[in-house]
Amino acid sequence: EDQVTQSPEALRLQEGESSSLNCSYTVSGLRGLFWYRQDPGKGPEFLFTLYSAGEEKEKERLKATLTKKESFLHITAPKPEDSATYLCAVQAVPGGSYIPTFGRGTSLIVHP
Amino acid sequence: DAGITQSPRYKITETGRQVTLMCHQTWSHSYMFWYRQDLGHGLRLIYYSAAADITDKGEVPDGYVVSRSKTENFPLTLESATRSQTSVYFCASSEATMNTEAFFGQGTRLTVV
Repeated sequence: EDQVTQSPEALRLQEGESSSLNCSYTVSGLRGLFWYRQDPGKGPEFLFTLYSAGEEKEKERLKATLTKKESFLHITAPKPEDSATYLCAVQAVPGGSYIPTFGRGTSLIVHP
Repeated sequence: DAGITQSPRYKITETGRQVTLMCHQTWSHSYMFWYRQDLGHGLRLIYYSAAADITDKGEVPDGYVVSRSKTENFPLTLESATRSQTSVYFCASSEATMNTEAFFGQGTRLTVV
């Protein structure tokens, strides 16, 4: 069973059409939740780290929020250049190594 | 150039051959990681290293070997390549694991025929 589930798998938006991506997790003892952006043919690029429920972080048109069970990546008035795959990863106490576990990602396409 | 670089970017090899993917980082980060990325599975950890001469298995280590004799290099070897190892491989590094983001290379697309 996946510890990290991202939804939807794919999302198509029109330019300016705001929406949210979801990352739900089942791990206990969350130490950190990471959001990455991945462009085609490239490695993931770090966006945000969230540590505790209620925390929010923003960067340009992106805002990440965290609850005790899930995180949302809100995209406000997206532009075509926001098209990418967005990955979340959770870091939890069980296991001891604190190596983050990644979700499968949400592929976002923003049409002009 | 500063950063993390992988080589080669593309590789085609035959079943049963040994192949090594290279990873080099210039930040002197303690931690280095190897992931594979496949459709439907996302990023899966193969091996990681906490420091030179310290390595540990990840989620999918079978068929792979790693070494880390120097902090900056973390090669991944497929001892006898199989078609199921066709994938995109990403190397990453970070200062630590706790609450620290990882920096990823550009990836190596490996095809085993």
